[in-house]
Amino acid sequence: AQSVAQPEDQVNVAEGNPLTVKCTYSVSGNPYLFWYVQYPNRGLQFLLKYITGDNLVKGSYGFEAEFNKSQTSFHLKKPSALVSDSALYFCAVREETGNQFYFGTGTSLTVIP
Amino acid sequence: DGGITQSPKYLFRKEGQNVTLSCEQNLNHDAMYWYRQDPGQGLRLIYYSQIVNDFQKGDIAEGYSVSREKKESFPLTVTSAQKNPTAFYLCASSTWTGSYEQYFGPGTRLTVT
Repeated sequence: AQSVAQPEDQVNVAEGNPLTVKCTYSVSGNPYLFWYVQYPNRGLQFLLKYITGDNLVKGSYGFEAEFNKSQTSFHLKKPSALVSDSALYFCAVREETGNQFYFGTGTSLTVIP
Repeated sequence: DGGITQSPKYLFRKEGQNVTLSCEQNLNHDAMYWYRQDPGQGLRLIYYSQIVNDFQKGDIAEGYSVSREKKESFPLTVTSAQKNPTAFYLCASSTWTGSYEQYFGPGTRLTVT
């Protein structure tokens, strides 16, 4: 069965420090992997995706994510966190031949000034 | 939230009443989805639709109904049979298959008292 795990409900990081939000996945075929961000009482906004090719993908607002096939992970990273990065982050997976998206339970990121 | 509108943003209803949430997209996407979001539970799929006049139940379809009479529209009705309808509801659309991400609407917060 397809699934996504975000092992940390909450991540706190000081402004200016690097941040990592973790995601692992399970799919039966090749995965398409996505990161979304959600601000309070808003819809989800797309940040970046991995489809194929380079394992390090770059996205919006300076975020990047590293695909690791052997560890079935797709961690979200940013070299220097901003207070405005504080939000809820969701990882999602879609099978190459599939039609549904599977979401993790979300990680609340707080960047401390 | 590009290209998907949901209305209203906030909705209040008395217990026992049916209520319909609107979702419209102008992205020419074939697939549309309804999710429910509760704190700490991530996104749970209610219904999805691949094409006009066709839709499939998701993980938590009981107490909900949908229609897809037009490609652009996918309204969700929360019926009185839904035991705990108070939640944040998100509509999304995407291409049916492939490497494409979902686009989300701004959400509707439904409160039933």
